[in-house]
Amino acid sequence: KAGVTQTPRYLIKTRGQQVTLSCSPISGHRSVSWYQQTPGQGLQFLFEYFSETQRNKGNFPGRFSGRQFSNSRSEMNVSTLELGDSALYLCASSLGQWIYNEQFFGPGTRLTVL
Amino acid sequence: LAKTTQPISMDSYEGQEVNITCSHNNIATNDYITWYQQFPSQGPRFIIQGYKTKVTNEVASLFIPADRKSSTLSLPRVSLSDTAVYYCLVVMPGGFKTIFGAGTRLFVKA
Repeated sequence: KAGVTQTPRYLIKTRGQQVTLSCSPISGHRSVSWYQQTPGQGLQFLFEYFSETQRNKGNFPGRFSGRQFSNSRSEMNVSTLELGDSALYLCASSLGQWIYNEQFFGPGTRLTVL
Repeated sequence: LAKTTQPISMDSYEGQEVNITCSHNNIATNDYITWYQQFPSQGPRFIIQGYKTKVTNEVASLFIPADRKSSTLSLPRVSLSDTAVYYCLVVMPGGFKTIFGAGTRLFVKA
């Protein structure tokens, strides 16, 4: 069974640009979560989706948004990029309806903002 | 969500048993304790989850005392490949959010 896939794996952008990251969950998984990981702040929860509905959002500015499609694939978008947005963005999916179930993480997208 | 506290780092040698303790004083009645492992440049990987007493799987054991204010992840006979960051999480069934703490960096030496 294929794992969680994230595209692209690496991305370089400049300040002020916007970026869209994609996540394909494990087949059959309907819950998708996004996390930002930086050396200074560690792993921080961004948002969680289930059946195309955002059920929770972390403490991030409105520049960070996301959505989930009917096939459970998810995208996150960051507008007006700042240097501090440079991070590893991780997507995780879980089989159960609730986030406390085992989460399967993708390899991440490494975003560098210049 | 209950806050967790873990040691920042630990050192061990190959073949030893490693115990990583996590403190979660404000754990709620319905919360579960979950541990993840993360290697550099990879996403975290689920290790084990428990509610009370002891849970064991093929890679680790999780000990939870009766008051549930702490838990201990036990890794038997570690190898160099167990060098990673280990995260303790308190998660709530029905919740829509998980909080990862700073984690514990385990270094296994030859």
